[in-house]
Amino acid sequence: KQEVTQIPAALSVPEGENLVLNCSFTDSAIYNLQWFRQDPGKGLTSLLLIQSSQREQTSGRLNASLDKSSGRSTLYIAASQPGDSATYLCAVDSNTGKLIFGQGTTLQVKP
Amino acid sequence: GAGVSQTPSNKVTEKGKYVELRCDPISGHTALYWYRQSLGQGPEFLIYFQGTGAADDSGLPNDRFFAVRPEGSVSTLKIQRTERGDSAVYLCASSSQGGQPQHFGDGTRLSIL
Repeated sequence: KQEVTQIPAALSVPEGENLVLNCSFTDSAIYNLQWFRQDPGKGLTSLLLIQSSQREQTSGRLNASLDKSSGRSTLYIAASQPGDSATYLCAVDSNTGKLIFGQGTTLQVKP
Repeated sequence: GAGVSQTPSNKVTEKGKYVELRCDPISGHTALYWYRQSLGQGPEFLIYFQGTGAADDSGLPNDRFFAVRPEGSVSTLKIQRTERGDSAVYLCASSSQGGQPQHFGDGTRLSIL
């Protein structure tokens, strides 16, 4: 049974810092891994999707990496801004149609 | 709008009542998913539709929960004899087909008193 874990649960950083969010999964037989952002009271916004054959994906200040063999993914945020404050979720698709989510990391970027 | 739409946005009802939650997916998306999110947790899978049929309903917690998608577009999640433990945010997502990126609605916040 696939399990996804995110560490840390919460993170507070000053504006301008580069930071890394971690995601680990127990079963390496994945189809893709997706990072989402969730603002309070809102649904999920997809940030990056990495296919199992890929090592990383980049979008603006965001870079996500995937190491299937070790069951790990990281989301790197460069030059953080207060507007980046949100909960970040990673989710794994094992080609079953359903996503298995981690518990999320709640990020606060202080001005 | 072109996104996934969920109604109502909030629902408060008494224990034992019946509720229906509606999801309008992105036009043309054949795959539709329901998830449930408790406070401080990631979403948990409930059911996945491919077209009109439920491809995977393994996440439905018990037989009080049921979902339909009769015409392959709008879906309704139905909960009978609601319990306080059913209180959560119910999220719907759709994708162009299974395995493609899922696009989420804002969810329905269900509170059982």
